[in-house]
Amino acid sequence: DVKVTQSSRYLVKRTGEKVFLECVQDMDHENMFWYRQDPGLGLRLIYFSYDVKMKEKGDIPEGYSVSREKKERFSLILESASTNQTSMYLCASSLWGQGWETQYFGPGTRLLVL
Amino acid sequence: GDSVTQMEGPVTLSEEAFLTINCTYTATGYPSLFWYVQYPGEGLQLLLKATKADDKGSNKGFEATYRKETTSFHLEKGSVQVSDSAVYFCALSAQGGSEKLVFGKGTKLTVNP
Repeated sequence: DVKVTQSSRYLVKRTGEKVFLECVQDMDHENMFWYRQDPGLGLRLIYFSYDVKMKEKGDIPEGYSVSREKKERFSLILESASTNQTSMYLCASSLWGQGWETQYFGPGTRLLVL
Repeated sequence: GDSVTQMEGPVTLSEEAFLTINCTYTATGYPSLFWYVQYPGEGLQLLLKATKADDKGSNKGFEATYRKETTSFHLEKGSVQVSDSAVYFCALSAQGGSEKLVFGKGTKLTVNP
């Protein structure tokens, strides 16, 4: 069965802390994605990756960075957390394809920055 | 750029009512279209998809038809159940694009017994 896991379901951090969100998929997918989900705004793409050590900016990359050292793992990094980064963060993965490949989502990490 | 517009919620229905959630899109070429569902406390999961004009996606009693002439992909179900209560997202993936999905803002559905 397809599985995308995220390291934490809930996180509370303080302003200025460095925050790591981890995502692991067991489907040998090439593509991995990080989104944030906010009420009234839907899902917005932060970063994505086509392959190991490759990354592309999404629509809202400011204040975030990513790391993909292994195919199955994609990390989102908040270099210096701020209160406006309080949100639900969703990771997803998909096979490389023609643009219609299904994205599989993890359960999400709800981050609160105080 | 590419965009998806779906009806604002929340939508509240009684069990066995008919459901329509409207979705229209703006994109160049022939995008693929998706409906995702998010149950409370969970991530998103694919509900159905259509990859070319006039295709009908269906799953769990839900249906949506890819209408290129009206640039629409409305979600319908003939008889909703309490267990259908969730947030529904319409999304597109652009033709020849970079595997990215563009999402609508989501529509929250509550079904009462």
